[in-house]
Parts: sequence; C-alpha cells; structure tokens
Amino acid sequence: KNEVEQSPQNLTAQEGEFITINCSYSVGISALHWLQQHPGGGIVSLFMLSSGKKKHGRLIATINIQEKHSSLHITASHPRDSAVYICAVRGGNNDMRFGAGTRLTVKP
Amino acid sequence: GAVVSQHPSRVICKSGTSVKIECRSLDFQATTMFWYRQFPKQSLMLMATSNEGSKATYEQGVEKDKFLINHASLTLSTLTVTSAHPEDSSFYICSANTGSKNIQYFGAGTRLSVL
Repeated sequence: KNEVEQSPQNLTAQEGEFITINCSYSVGISALHWLQQHPGGGIVSLFMLSSGKKKHGRLIATINIQEKHSSLHITASHPRDSAVYICAVRGGNNDMRFGAGTRLTVKP
Repeated sequence: GAVVSQHPSRVICKSGTSVKIECRSLDFQATTMFWYRQFPKQSLMLMATSNEGSKATYEQGVEKDKFLINHASLTLSTLTVTSAHPEDSSFYICSANTGSKNIQYFGAGTRLSVL
C-alpha cells in the first residue's frame, strides 16, 4: 500500500463545476503539499498545510491531521485548471513522499 | 518570490555519455535540495536528498555511483547521470527547501533522452 493515496486517479469535469481531489496518508508528517504539474512537466506548489484550511483564489485546501486526510477543492473550474494535481507529504526527515497524482481535465 | 532554476530543460545524449543537471536557488539559500525522477504517467519518486557541504543521502534502490550529487554551495546542487543508458531516460526534477519557512520550491525539470 502506498504511503500517500490519491483519488480519483482521473477526473473530467465541465467548466464551472466544483472539483474535489482527495489525499490520504499513512505516515506521520510535518506538512502536506498540493502541487500542480502542467503537461510540460513543470511543477508549481499550490499549498503547504500543517493544519486547518487555506484558500488562494478559486483553490481551497483542507487537512484533517487526526484522520490523515486532505482535500483540494477547485471552485468554478476552468479549462486552464487542467493539469495533474499531486499530493505530497513531508516526513520527519524533511523528505517528501508523493501520491500518484490526479489528472484533471476541464472541458469548455 | 523564491525561484529554483533548473538547467538544462531538455537534453538528448548518446548512450555511455555523462550528463550534468544543475539546480540553483536564485534568491534564497538552500541547505537542502532534493532530486526526483518521474517516469511517464507516473508520480515523482525521491532519488536523493542533497545537503550542502556533506554527502547526499540516497533513497533505497538508487545507485549513488550512477547518480552523482554535488551540493557545493548554498545555492547550487548538481546531479550527474554517469554513463547514461536508455533506461535512464526520464524527467528529473529538483526542489529546494527555504529552511526558515519550510517551503519547498520546485525546478521546472529536465527531460533526459538517452539514445
């Protein structure tokens, strides 16, 4: 079993829909990151969470430390949101473990 | 904001040659940098943790003599793929930790193709 599990693996949505991507982890962490990887491969760090909730524009990330679960929400989705979203957790050794990613396609 | 620069973005080389990839933190000092590998349609895999002034820490299964890491300064880490073979073709990404804010910044990645 992977240390970081993401769901769904693939997600197709219509423009304007509300999107949720889930991440569950089984190890102790000091922080959780949500990353966005575009087709060219470059990675952007969207959020770093250690507790609670963060919001940036149309993106919202939440984390429940007790349940070892995090969600990434996208409100009013747009085709430019199409990308792979990766959940990554930082362990005690400052290393990172990655989920398999969720491939999001938003259709106009 | 903080930026990590990775160079080159793409390299094509012949089998048996060595390839060096650079990872620079542009406006902050990074005592720790990380190197990842990504196979097509797969997630990132941590290869090694690069510490300034000391030997890198390699993940299990990663050959340290194959993937040489040098972190000679607080702003530069290099990954050298020695005697590259076609199976080394992959997407390599580095990241750097700001330390004080514990934020990870990623390079744009290097796509290596070994012919």
